[in-house]
Amino acid sequence: EEQLLESGGGLLQPGGSLRLSCAASGFTFSDYAMSWVRQAPGKGLEWVSGINESGDKTAYAHSVKGRFTISRDNSKNTLYLQMNSVTADDTAVYYCAKDHIDYRGQGTLVTVSS
Amino acid sequence: DIQMTQSPSSLSASIGDRVTIACRASQGISSWLAWFQQKPGKAPKLLIYAASHLHTGVPSRFSGSGSGTDFTLTISGLQPEDFAIYYCQQASSFPHTFGQGTRLEIK
Repeated sequence: EEQLLESGGGLLQPGGSLRLSCAASGFTFSDYAMSWVRQAPGKGLEWVSGINESGDKTAYAHSVKGRFTISRDNSKNTLYLQMNSVTADDTAVYYCAKDHIDYRGQGTLVTVSS
Repeated sequence: DIQMTQSPSSLSASIGDRVTIACRASQGISSWLAWFQQKPGKAPKLLIYAASHLHTGVPSRFSGSGSGTDFTLTISGLQPEDFAIYYCQQASSFPHTFGQGTRLEIK
């Protein structure tokens, strides 16, 4: 069964840093591009970042460009999102997606508050 | 950036009804469109990809159509488990923008 397991969320202060992980299983991770999407409480879905199969091409939403970094380790079947200089607007549940659109995890909650 | 506009924002329907949700892109996206269903506290569930292709395991009462800028999601014969929020997303170019969502409620 194909699975994605997000982890690494938590409570942090404005200006802080956090790294999210997405562990993939049940499929050949290195064959697929991946994305991160987030959903603020009571709001709609917002695409955050994407990365190609080999990890050498990335893209970001304007709202996170320069602060967030997406990466992957194909040897560990894991996708990452490094979040720096966070603000309250980054508070959300973060989901990872296989092939940019196939969401199979439960998400991880990031709360930014002082 | 490509803007995605869904209509209506909310919709009331009865069990067994046929409903249609529209999604319009601000510029042509060929068939690079996906539809999702989301229930409270759950991850989005992929229903349709490439505008009209049913994802594995999704009931055949769901269907998608369109290309270019105008797309529709149709649910034929609403079931109780279909009441949820539906989103479209374009995957033609980054950022992969979403529509604002359509809330489907029981009448």
